[in-house]
Amino acid sequence: QVQLKESGPGLVKPSQTLSLTCTVSGGSMSSVAFFWTWIRQHPGKGLEWLGYIYDSGTTYYNPSLKSRVTMSIDTSKNQLSLKLTSVTAADTAVYYCARGKIRWEVWGQGTLVTVSS
Amino acid sequence: DIQMTQSPSSLSASVGDRVTITCQASQDISNYLNWYQLKPGKAPKLLIYDASNLEAGVPSRFSGSGSGTDFTFTISSLQPEDIATYYCQHYDNLPYAFGQGTKLEIK
Repeated sequence: QVQLKESGPGLVKPSQTLSLTCTVSGGSMSSVAFFWTWIRQHPGKGLEWLGYIYDSGTTYYNPSLKSRVTMSIDTSKNQLSLKLTSVTAADTAVYYCARGKIRWEVWGQGTLVTVSS
Repeated sequence: DIQMTQSPSSLSASVGDRVTITCQASQDISNYLNWYQLKPGKAPKLLIYDASNLEAGVPSRFSGSGSGTDFTFTISSLQPEDIATYYCQHYDNLPYAFGQGTKLEIK
């Protein structure tokens, strides 16, 4: 059964870059092509769709993030990554990776990232 | 962008009660709507896809209906393990978006 796990620094300083990794286990990313999505949840608030990446590297990002977000994929390592530049306190959230494009049957448990000096 | 308005924001009900959550889209999204369950510290769970289809392995007490702009999510008989926050999500066009969530508590 495929499992996803997000990892990365739990604390990032304002104006710096948030970098997260999502590791896929229980299956090879290179065997079947999928879309992979990043979603976040601000503390005590709702969910925000950040964007997706396809195995080929094709991406679509939420325009609300403007040019701050970059997603990448390394199927040989079974990993996805998310980078968000110039972070502020408003980027404090639990970040999830999930498999799929329009609906997400498999999710990670999420990782909390706090932006604070 | 399409906005999703979900209500109520919180709900308290007794075990065995029928629970209903509504989600309204700001424009016609056909049946391009999913429902998720979130519990603290756990991976979110897809419950309903395409407005009314039950995801494999999800108990039949969960159901969804609607099309166009108005959608309903129902738990026919509330169980203690259903305590969670529930979200609707559209995928009619990009960017995809979620409702504000409904926090469900046991009375």
